[in-house]
Amino acid sequence: LAKTTQPISMDSYEGQEVNITCSHNNIATNDYITWYQQFPSQGPRFIIQGYKTKVTNEVASLFIPADRKSSTLSLPRVSLSDTAVYYCLVGPTRGFQKLVFGTGTRLLVSP
Amino acid sequence: DTAVSQTPKYLVTQMGNDKSIKCEQNLGHDTMYWYKQDSKKFLKIMFSYNNKELIINETVPNRFSPKSPDKAHLNLHINSLELGDSAVYFCASSRPPGQGNHEQFFGPGTRLTVL
Repeated sequence: LAKTTQPISMDSYEGQEVNITCSHNNIATNDYITWYQQFPSQGPRFIIQGYKTKVTNEVASLFIPADRKSSTLSLPRVSLSDTAVYYCLVGPTRGFQKLVFGTGTRLLVSP
Repeated sequence: DTAVSQTPKYLVTQMGNDKSIKCEQNLGHDTMYWYKQDSKKFLKIMFSYNNKELIINETVPNRFSPKSPDKAHLNLHINSLELGDSAVYFCASSRPPGQGNHEQFFGPGTRLTVL
């Protein structure tokens, strides 16, 4: 599975837009990019998944450039409750999915 | 209306004991998983079952034995507990391959402390 690199931590303030970038230089043709969110003392929660260009849902947007060697998770107007660890994962969706979690990005949102 | 539930939430025990953690999902999924998150917060897959059959076994010590009595349940039994087994164990489930984006739904976790 393609290895991912993310910033260890980020700080933001309420109401700001937060962009977390993930590098995955060795992404394979059939790999998708998936982001999970984990709050303290809870299990990870799926946020968004994409293959190329842009994907948007009610929670976030995912921007993927043409070469797919990186991706950016965008959280619009964050609130205190968005404080969590965000994991970028890369892998195929076909077959039995073995999620490989990296260190994630610890986002701290302050008032 | 919990999707993936685990019991117990906390488990404190002595070295050498045998313990079990139970997991149930009411999402109708065929595939279930066990993950371990250590003190450094690294989350690693241990096992995966599809329709009660073992699919993934990530070289976990054989003291760990998963059991799937039916598609909705995947229990984890641990023999001869060691200090290094202390961690948070997460159960998860997903649709089988070819159906949707294989989003995994995680349980709330079981914090195991071995003294």
